[in-house]
Amino acid sequence: AQSVTQPDIHITVSEGASLELRCNYSYGATPYLFWYVQSPGQGLQLLLKYFSGDTLVQGIKGFEAEFKRSQSSFNLRKPSVHWSDAAEYFCAVGARGSTLGRLYFGRGTQLTVWP
Amino acid sequence: DAGVTQSPTHLIKTRGQQVTLRCSPKSGHDTVSWYQQALGQGPQFIFQYYEEEERQRGNFPDRFSGHQFPNYSSELNVNALLLGDSALYLCASSLRTSGINEQFFGPGTRLTVL
Repeated sequence: AQSVTQPDIHITVSEGASLELRCNYSYGATPYLFWYVQSPGQGLQLLLKYFSGDTLVQGIKGFEAEFKRSQSSFNLRKPSVHWSDAAEYFCAVGARGSTLGRLYFGRGTQLTVWP
Repeated sequence: DAGVTQSPTHLIKTRGQQVTLRCSPKSGHDTVSWYQQALGQGPQFIFQYYEEEERQRGNFPDRFSGHQFPNYSSELNVNALLLGDSALYLCASSLRTSGINEQFFGPGTRLTVL
């Protein structure tokens, strides 16, 4: 069965510091992979996605993520965090081979940014 | 280009009541999925509609039902509300023929059950 693990419930970084949010998934093949961001009381905004090809994908707001098949991981990174990046981040996987497939989400990582 | 819209924004109900939430997909999309996000949790898949039929369903009881209309908009109905149904309900739309599973989310409906 598909599942997503985000091992860090809460991360705190200083503004300007680098960031890495971890995501591990369980899936029988290579899934579609996504990172979403959610501000308080808001819906989900797509940061980036991996479908195929280059395993390092670039997203919005200066975020990037690297797909590592051998580690079943899709970690999110940003070289320099801004105070506006404080939010909750969700990793998700989606099944291939089915255009009607659903998304499986991790429980999220809450990011706090110190000024 | 309007994104995914949901109504109402907030809703307060009491136990045992019934509720209907509404969703309009992004322009050009034909598939609607519903997710429940409890406080402090990631979204959980409820079900997905395409061509006015429920195509996939997550682990939710029959109290949760839905409908899709010819214009692709959708409703989520929850009967016999329980306190545990309090959550943010997210609607997501996608295009079936795109061949990929990219879903665009609406802002959600916050349901509080007292």
